[in-house]
Amino acid sequence: DQQVKQNSPSLSVQEGRISILNCDYTNSMFDYFLWYKKYPAEGPTFLISISSIKDKNEDGRFTVFLNKSAKHLSLHIVPSQPGDSAVYFCAASASDTGRRALTFGSGTRLQVQP
Amino acid sequence: GAVVSQHPSRVICKSGTSVKIECRSLDFQATTMFWYRQFPKQSLMLMATSNEGSKATYEQGVEKDKFLINHASLTLSTLTVTSAHPEDSSFYICSAQRGGRAETQYFGPGTRLLVL
Repeated sequence: DQQVKQNSPSLSVQEGRISILNCDYTNSMFDYFLWYKKYPAEGPTFLISISSIKDKNEDGRFTVFLNKSAKHLSLHIVPSQPGDSAVYFCAASASDTGRRALTFGSGTRLQVQP
Repeated sequence: GAVVSQHPSRVICKSGTSVKIECRSLDFQATTMFWYRQFPKQSLMLMATSNEGSKATYEQGVEKDKFLINHASLTLSTLTVTSAHPEDSSFYICSAQRGGRAETQYFGPGTRLLVL
């Protein structure tokens, strides 16, 4: 039973346009969400996060939106650059358990075309 | 950012043998490390939480006698896949926790295990 789902395995966008990556979750105990970027042969690297008390967090070209009622979050990258091409993982954690272990989605491969 | 290494990066072994994977935090001390497993086109699945000086906490469905975890120091955790079988072939990734926030979890590059 996947508690964090990324239903789009891949996404292709043109350089300069917006990339929108989506993530859904089912566990209502999740209260902290993160996005990671992963290049081949490397581990995931942290990109941006959002707490459940917020609905938006912005960091440069990256913005994460959280819709708690829909149990949905999205990552917006604008403008997209060829160097953004990677696999993006959505992850969630439940702080009430005191655990920092993460539950990951299956990832979305983003390709930004020059 | 913090650096976490894994060794080996790739390993091929025969069925029935045991394989040890090392995870090291190179520039910080980590009281907690995590081991994940990733099957092709699937998500990273948490296998266990490794705490320095104490027993690891395994996720439901993960056999603790098959996947032995040792966290003997603040910079090293090891995962030993005992009596490996072809179905254990996977990508194993560790992470080390630096600080108390979820985003301060730093990941190693992963180890590709192929059991013949």
